[in-house]
Amino acid sequence: DSGVTQTPKHLITATGQRVTLRCSPRSGDLSVYWYQQSLDQGLQFLIQYYNGEERAKGNILERFSAQQFPDLHSELNLSSLELGDSALYFCASSVAPGLNTEAFFGQGTRLTVV
Amino acid sequence: GNSVTQMEGPVTLSEEAFLTINCTYTATGYPSLFWYVQYPGEGLQLLLKATKADDKGSNKGFEATYRKETTSFHLEKGSVQVSDSAVYFCALNVGQAGTALIFGKGTTLSVSS
Repeated sequence: DSGVTQTPKHLITATGQRVTLRCSPRSGDLSVYWYQQSLDQGLQFLIQYYNGEERAKGNILERFSAQQFPDLHSELNLSSLELGDSALYFCASSVAPGLNTEAFFGQGTRLTVV
Repeated sequence: GNSVTQMEGPVTLSEEAFLTINCTYTATGYPSLFWYVQYPGEGLQLLLKATKADDKGSNKGFEATYRKETTSFHLEKGSVQVSDSAVYFCALNVGQAGTALIFGKGTTLSVSS
C-alpha cells in the first residue's frame, strides 16, 4: 500500500458527461501529480500541484482541470468526455518537487466512456 | 525537450533467464533516473533510482547504472522469476520548476516457469 488513495476505482460514463476523480496523498506529502495511462500513449503527465498551487503542466486538455485543496487532497475534473478519454488515471504524491524526489502512486481510477 | 525511450516489448523469458531492458534518455541538465514497476491491476511502485552519473541503483535483484556518456539507464536482473512478470517503466526527473517525472512507454515482461 503506497498510502495514496484514489476514488473511485472504476467509473463508467457517457460521452459529453463530466466526472471528478479524487486523490488523497500520503500523509505529509505536499505535492500531487496526475497522470493518464492509455495503451497507445503510455503514461502521460497531466498536471502537478504543490501545497495548493499549480506547479507544472503537461499534456492536459482544456476540457480537463484540477485543483489541490487546503487539506492537500486533489481532484481532477474531466468534462465533455469523449470516447478517447477512456484510460487509467493515476495520482501520485511526493514530499515536495525535486530532482531526487520519489513519487508514490495510487492504484488508479479506470475511466470508461461509452 | 526531456524524454525517455525504452525498448519495445513484450519481453518473454523463461524462469532464471537473464533480463535486460534498455532505456535511454534525453534531458536538459543532469536528471535523476528511476525504474518503476507496475504489477497487474496495481499502481506504479519505485523499483530503484540513481541520482548522479555512475551511480548504481539496486533492489530485489534488479540493477541499473546511470551512464551519462551513453545517456542510458538499462535495467538488468541475473535470474528472473515468474513473480517478476510486470510492466517496467524508466523515468527521469530534471528537477526544474515546471517539470515532473517523465516516463517511457513501458516494457511488458512475461516470465514463464
